[in-house]
Parts: sequence; structure tokens; C-alpha cells
Amino acid sequence: DQQVKQNSPSLSVQEGRISILNCDYTNSMFDYFLWYKKYPAEGPTFLISISSIKDKNEDGRFTVFLNKSAKHLSLHIVPSQPGDSAVYFCAASSTTSGTYKYIFGTGTRLKVLA
Amino acid sequence: DGGITQSPKYLFRKEGQNVTLSCEQNLNHDAMYWYRQDPGQGLRLIYYSQIVNDFQKGDIAEGYSVSREKKESFPLTVTSAQKNPTAFYLCASSILALAVYNEQFFGPGTRLTVL
Repeated sequence: DQQVKQNSPSLSVQEGRISILNCDYTNSMFDYFLWYKKYPAEGPTFLISISSIKDKNEDGRFTVFLNKSAKHLSLHIVPSQPGDSAVYFCAASSTTSGTYKYIFGTGTRLKVLA
Repeated sequence: DGGITQSPKYLFRKEGQNVTLSCEQNLNHDAMYWYRQDPGQGLRLIYYSQIVNDFQKGDIAEGYSVSREKKESFPLTVTSAQKNPTAFYLCASSILALAVYNEQFFGPGTRLTVL
């Protein structure tokens, strides 16, 4: 059972426009969420995170929104740049579980067209 | 420079052979993790360790073994019992602190191909 889902395997966006990547989760115990960016044949790099006490976190061009009632989070990239082309993974964890484990989604491949 | 190193980047083995993947970190992180990535799938947790000489199975531990004899090192052995060992393997580490959120830092990965 996939507890963290990224239903769009790929997304293409024009340079300068907004990219919106979505993630849904099923476990109501998840209270900390992260986005990672991954280039081919490299390890993922941390992008931005949000805890369940917030509904928005912003870092430069990247903003993550959390809708707890819908069990949904989204990553907005504005403006999108060609260097943003990568696979984006969302991850979720339960800080009360004591295991510090993350559950990752299947990823969305973003392509920013110049 | 602090970071996580995984070696080698590419590894080829014959079917039926055990192989050990190296992971070293000099970040002084408490916890270390091994993930596997397959095409079209997310990162799946194989094993993790929160303290030296202790480790726990993740979601797909069958056919794998680990050790954590030093804080800096967390090698993963892919045994002949692993049915589909060809994959991209990622090691990660993180600080552990109560009530504090900490992201995991990843190494560059090792692509294992079993012929």
C-alpha cells in the first residue's frame, strides 16, 4: 500500500512559468514532509520541508503548501528555470513514531522548456 | 568537506555472488540509512541504524545485511538471496534529536548490475 503518492509521473512547463508538483498521503500520523530534487545518477538533495503545524513554507522560488484535511501537499516553483529539470520526490514521516523513517513517493519528472 | 561517500559508483557482479557496498560519512550524524531506487518507483528503505552496533530492517530487507561497527560507516551487503539485486542504491544520514526535524543527506549512489 503506497502511503505517499505522486500521481503525475511527469510534468512539462515553460521557462518563467509556475511549476506545481503534487503529493498525497494516506497516513494521518505523518507530521513532517519534505521535498527532494534528484538528477540522474546522483543522490537526492534536500529542497524544502514543512511540519504539520504550518500550512505554508517558502524558500526563495520554492513554496510548499500543506492541506492536512485533504492529506495533500504541493510544491510551487516560481519562476521555473531550465536547471530545475529533475525528478522531485516528496517524503513524509511521523516524528512521534521514534523511528525517523521517511516514506517516499514515486517521484515526478519535471522538464522546464527554454 | 563534510559529506557522504559511496563507492564504487558502478558495480558489476555475477549472479550468485555476494557484494558489499560502501557508505562513509564525516558529518558526525547519528543515523544512517540504505535505500534502493528502481525505475518508476520511489526510494524504498532497506535498513537503517540510529546508533552504533544497532540497526533495524526497513520495508525491503530480505536478501540484504548491514553492520554498524563505527559511527561513520554503514556497509550494505547484497546477498545471493536477493532476487532482483540490480538497482541504484543510495545511502543517507541524519542527525537525531528529540522534537527536532532533520532532513536526511544522501550520498551519490552506487549502481549495481548483476549479470
